[in-house]
Amino acid sequence: EDKVVQSPLSLVVHEGDTVTLNCSYEVTNFRSLLWYKQEKKAPTFLFMLTSSGIEKKSGRLSSILDKKELFSILNITATQTGDSAVYLCAKITSGTYKYIFGTGTRLKVLA
Amino acid sequence: EADIYQTPRYLVIGTGKKITLECSQTMGHDKMYWYQQDPGMELHLIHYSYGVNSTEKGDLSSESTVSRIRTEHFPLTLESARPSHTSQYLCASSDPTRGTYEQYFGPGTRLTVT
Repeated sequence: EDKVVQSPLSLVVHEGDTVTLNCSYEVTNFRSLLWYKQEKKAPTFLFMLTSSGIEKKSGRLSSILDKKELFSILNITATQTGDSAVYLCAKITSGTYKYIFGTGTRLKVLA
Repeated sequence: EADIYQTPRYLVIGTGKKITLECSQTMGHDKMYWYQQDPGMELHLIHYSYGVNSTEKGDLSSESTVSRIRTEHFPLTLESARPSHTSQYLCASSDPTRGTYEQYFGPGTRLTVT
């Protein structure tokens, strides 16, 4: 089944904490995996991961993909209240350009 | 900055009405998508298009239709709105030939069917 599973579903932390969000997928015909941040409205792009073991980094956010174990993680260090959002991951299956989204992880960062 | 637009942004309409949600992008992207998203829930793919005159149904067609007569324009039509169609509708586009699978999203249309 073509499915993307994210965990945890929700998370509440305090400013300064480090969080790790998980995304696993269930089929092996994989093209790429993307992470998005969604606040009130439309998702905004964070990372695209295609190769295993190569960390993508942007400021306090980083992400890595493990194609053998079929998962990716998104790390946020020194969290701030502005990081509060839903974080979505999406997989693109090889042979198509359809995006399968997970349910998202709702992160709330308390001051 | 993404140049993808959706109108209207908010719409309240009665059951049985026919409505068209507009989506336009000025980036020349071939691939365009419609998603439905209920509050706090995942995005469900309704329809997608890989280019002019190409349209496909997604996992959740929700009694809607789309057309792709021009590259930049991908409208979604509900022939007869029902309360179950109340949701947020997001349009997106991408162009993998530019070396990325990033999808650019429009601001969304929040639809309420009474």
